[in-house]
Amino acid sequence: KAGVTQTPRYLIKTRGQQVTLSCSPISGHRSVSWYQQTPGQGLQFLFEYFSETQRNKGNFPGRFSGRQFSNSRSEMNVSTLELGDSALYLCASTLGLAGASGANVLTFGAGSRLTVL
Amino acid sequence: GDSVTQMEGPVTLSEEAFLTINCTYTATGYPSLFWYVQYPGEGLQLLLKATKADDKGSNKGFEATYRKETTSFHLEKGSVQVSDSAVYFCALSLVDRDDKIIFGKGTRLHILP
Repeated sequence: KAGVTQTPRYLIKTRGQQVTLSCSPISGHRSVSWYQQTPGQGLQFLFEYFSETQRNKGNFPGRFSGRQFSNSRSEMNVSTLELGDSALYLCASTLGLAGASGANVLTFGAGSRLTVL
Repeated sequence: GDSVTQMEGPVTLSEEAFLTINCTYTATGYPSLFWYVQYPGEGLQLLLKATKADDKGSNKGFEATYRKETTSFHLEKGSVQVSDSAVYFCALSLVDRDDKIIFGKGTRLHILP
């Protein structure tokens, strides 16, 4: 079956712009989690959506937002981009809530690499 | 708060060497523990997991044992291959911590032929 699909894979923006990233989870998976990966900070949790509701949120400013649609596809948006937002943004899906059980293993997409100039 | 600490990388080994990547955790409760691997240009994928104390997870020649007394989940492999070059992440999940999964910072592994 198809894996987690993230688009676009690469993008370049300038400071002050906004960006929208898309994630299509594995068919049947209802939870989508987003992470920011940088060399200095490693993997940092952004938020998790389950059945169109945000269930968890990490420690990121309000410029970072997301949503989930009825088909479980998710988008995240970053407004007023800063140089420090340059990162690999990873999306992962699970059948149920990501941390609810050791059985709910995250399946990751390949990521969207954002460069802010 | 809950956290995962991994050994700093990069780790460079010759092919067929023995590998250990240390991982320790802090958690108030009984977490499930995971190792994920990220190959170049790809997302993370689950390597192995353990859900209770003394469980051993294993996959592709890698092993890790959940040690509650030392709060550790060290990753080991007896004989590494060039294809094992990747970034390895230790992680935990706790049902009673808002269902979050917490990752370590990752350890980059280079295997030389």
